[in-house]
This record gives sequence, C-alpha cells and structure tokens, in this order.
Amino acid sequence: EAQVTQNPRYLITVTGKKLTVTCSQNMNHEYMSWYRQDPGLGLRQIYYSMNVEVTDKGDVPEGYKVSRKEKRNFPLILESPSPNQTSLYFCASSQRGMGNQPQHFGDGTRLSIL
Amino acid sequence: SQQGEEDPQALSIQEGENATMNCSYKTSINNLQWYRQNSGRGLVHLILIRSNEREKHSGRLRVTLDTSKKSSSLLITASRAADTASYFCATDANTGGFKTIFGAGTRLFVKA
Repeated sequence: EAQVTQNPRYLITVTGKKLTVTCSQNMNHEYMSWYRQDPGLGLRQIYYSMNVEVTDKGDVPEGYKVSRKEKRNFPLILESPSPNQTSLYFCASSQRGMGNQPQHFGDGTRLSIL
Repeated sequence: SQQGEEDPQALSIQEGENATMNCSYKTSINNLQWYRQNSGRGLVHLILIRSNEREKHSGRLRVTLDTSKKSSSLLITASRAADTASYFCATDANTGGFKTIFGAGTRLFVKA
C-alpha cells in the first residue's frame, strides 16, 4: 500500500531535549516536505527536498533541521525544542516538486514541548 | 507568508445543498490544488488545476481558476454529511523555488 509513515504519532517532551521525527515513503517519490499546522494558520512549509542530498527552506525553517540521505526517508530534527514548536506536524511526498503533482500526506505527529 | 487565503473561514449547510469555498493568492502560480482534511488527520488531495485551465470537474467537485483575479473556487454539489471536513487550497509560488503554500482553510460542516 502506498503510504507516508511518520513516527512518533504523539510526543510530549521538554524544552531543550533534542528530538527527531521520522518520515518514510514507499512510492519512490523525489519530493518530500515537512509542514506544521497551527490553529487558524493552515499548513506552513518548514523544509522541502527535491531529491537525495537536495534540501531547501520553506517559510518557517527556524529551529528545525532536515536531511535526505536516502530517497525514502526525510527526518525532521529539532536540536533544541522550545514551546513555540508545539504543533501538529505533517510529512508529505510527491512524484516531483514542480507543483503539478498531488502530495501524499502522513497521518501527522502531534508534538507538545513543555 | 500566506499565499492562499480561503473564504469563508467556516461554512455550515444542510445535506443536499451546494458548498462554495474561495481561495485567493498573491503571486503568479503554475498550479493550484485543493485538499481535504478530516479532523486532525493527514490531508487528502482532491483536484489540481493548472494556470492555463479555467475549470475542472471531478465527481461532485468543480474547481474554477481566475488568474486575472488570482482566485479559485471549489464547489461541492449535493453535499453529504461525510463531506464535513476542512478544505485547503495550495499553490506553487512561482518564485524560482519549489515551495508549496497553503491557505488557512475553510471548515465545512454539513448537517444531516
């Protein structure tokens, strides 16, 4: 089954404790992306990747890191999480990154930073 | 920055009625997509319309695009309770990069 898998689905942690949210897709997609969703703001893009070893900033990259060492995986790293990063996070992938392909979304990761 | 902005923010209708949601954007685009999100779940792609297209249909969905007004609308005909969800437009911001910009969404509630 074609899918985007995020882990963990829920996480409560404390300020400053490094964490990684994993994302994996099984569709051989080139484009992968991370979004955060906050009430009233819709989805805002954090980082995206056009292919292996090619990443670029979205609209809200501050406080986040990503890497794309393999085509299927695109982890999101919070080196020193802060309470303002409490949010619902989504990973997505698409065949290409040209905007003319539908994006497939994971089920989300609800992150609470105390 | 918010490229897409949906209007209205929330919409409540009776089953069987039509629902219309609008999306406005600021910069030129190549493509515009509509997505649906059931409460707290991942988004599901509904329909894509290219900048050289004016209208597109998919089942009970009809999407229009007016590039001169930088706006799009999503019409759901003969709505059902199962259509209750949030709907988002997303654009590729034609700025040389490959960003995707989502609007804040319209929450649709269809009463049975």
